Amino acid sequence: AIQMTQSPSSLSASVGDRVTITCRASQGIRNNLDWFQQKPGKAPKLLIYAASSLQSGVPSRFSGSGSGTDFTLTISSLQPEDFASYYCLQDYNYPWTFGQGTKVEIK
Amino acid sequence: QAQLVESGGGVVQPGRSLRLSCAASAFSFSNYGMHWVRQAPGKGLEWVAVISYDGSDKYYADSVKGRFTISRDNSKNTLYLQLNSLRPEDTAVYYCAKGFFDDSTSYGKHFDCWGQGTLVTVSS
Repeated sequence: AIQMTQSPSSLSASVGDRVTITCRASQGIRNNLDWFQQKPGKAPKLLIYAASSLQSGVPSRFSGSGSGTDFTLTISSLQPEDFASYYCLQDYNYPWTFGQGTKVEIK
Repeated sequence: QAQLVESGGGVVQPGRSLRLSCAASAFSFSNYGMHWVRQAPGKGLEWVAVISYDGSDKYYADSVKGRFTISRDNSKNTLYLQLNSLRPEDTAVYYCAKGFFDDSTSYGKHFDCWGQGTLVTVSS
């Protein structure tokens, strides 16, 4: 199975900060990577699909990049509602695998 | 707006079985691959299983292969997950999820709709 290594596992940031989260795949997955946001007690929400496509309704401060093995989720200016956990998911081949998650906390 | 509602969770003893259901509405259920994803308390997300739009193709995570079975009834707009030989490490919230894109190798990519989850607790 493809392993997804996500970093950092947690970070503290302030409103207005630029935040970057990375995912590295154990083998090439082309652009078959999605990013999700999850708030406590809620189901995850799709932010970015196919590495860089913004899901409908998601604010443009979220962006994704990368291909092959290295991927990045960027929040250009952190907002109060962005404090949450973030996960990457490779959907290149089965079994699909998630990264371990990144918890974004208030500094 | 597409909606998914899971049911069937509860407390079960190790080694016993449980069947989860996921009722779909407001979209053409029979056109989409469907998935189960779980999350152990305080832990990350784990992909569990997928079924093709017509039920002909299924894939599983290694951790559940041979114990869990995914199925669907398109006439009832319902997805199922049969959980057998349950272990304490299967304790989790189980989500069903719908993707909006199939390609030549995968079903139901890009989860744009999730249920609220149903909690399964495996304990003696």
